[in-house]
Amino acid sequence: AQTVTQSQPEMSVQEAETVTLSCTYDTSENNYYLFWYKQPPSRQMILVIRQEAYKQQNATENRFSVNFQKAAKSFSLKISDSQLGDTAMYFCAFMSGETSGSRLTFGEGTQLTVNP
Amino acid sequence: NAGVMQNPRHLVRRRGQEARLRCSPMKGHSHVYWYRQLPEEGLKFMVYLQKENIIDESGMPKERFSAEFPKEGPSILRIQQVVRGDSAAYFCASSPGTGSIQPQHFGDGTRLSIL
Repeated sequence: AQTVTQSQPEMSVQEAETVTLSCTYDTSENNYYLFWYKQPPSRQMILVIRQEAYKQQNATENRFSVNFQKAAKSFSLKISDSQLGDTAMYFCAFMSGETSGSRLTFGEGTQLTVNP
Repeated sequence: NAGVMQNPRHLVRRRGQEARLRCSPMKGHSHVYWYRQLPEEGLKFMVYLQKENIIDESGMPKERFSAEFPKEGPSILRIQQVVRGDSAAYFCASSPGTGSIQPQHFGDGTRLSIL
């Protein structure tokens, strides 16, 4: 079974600065996908960024980028130029690519607070 | 709104009553997933369904919980004889079920409170 670990329950950053959220996972599979989801106080689950394990290039979406280290099974999220609206709970998630329509396995989350 | 629709947003039940949570997937999506989020925790997988079929229910409690996704209409998560420990946010997600990567799109969740 896959596991996802987020070792930082809480983090804070000043507006306009950069912050990195950590995520590690454990799997014996070679084909899988990784995601970061954001859950603001409204409690919606919003997809932030995704990464295919077979791609060596790190995914980037505007101010959000990942550092994917497959050998180390690490998938950190970097948020540049932090904005107040980035304040949210961030969840790292794993999905197997072995079968179609697989479940997501989530970490316990990191609560990020952006301070003005 | 073409997103995943869940209703009700909030549901209050007394212990022993039944709770029915509904989820209409995004248009064109044939795969539905249910997740539960207990207070201060991450989301935990419960069940994965396609139309008229339960594909993976390994995350469902063995008793009192059931799910369906009929040919017509929304997917239903049913909890019988609710207890205080069932209080949680229940999220539904859907995906198209085809292609090499199938990001799941989430609804806004149903917050279930048990009195």
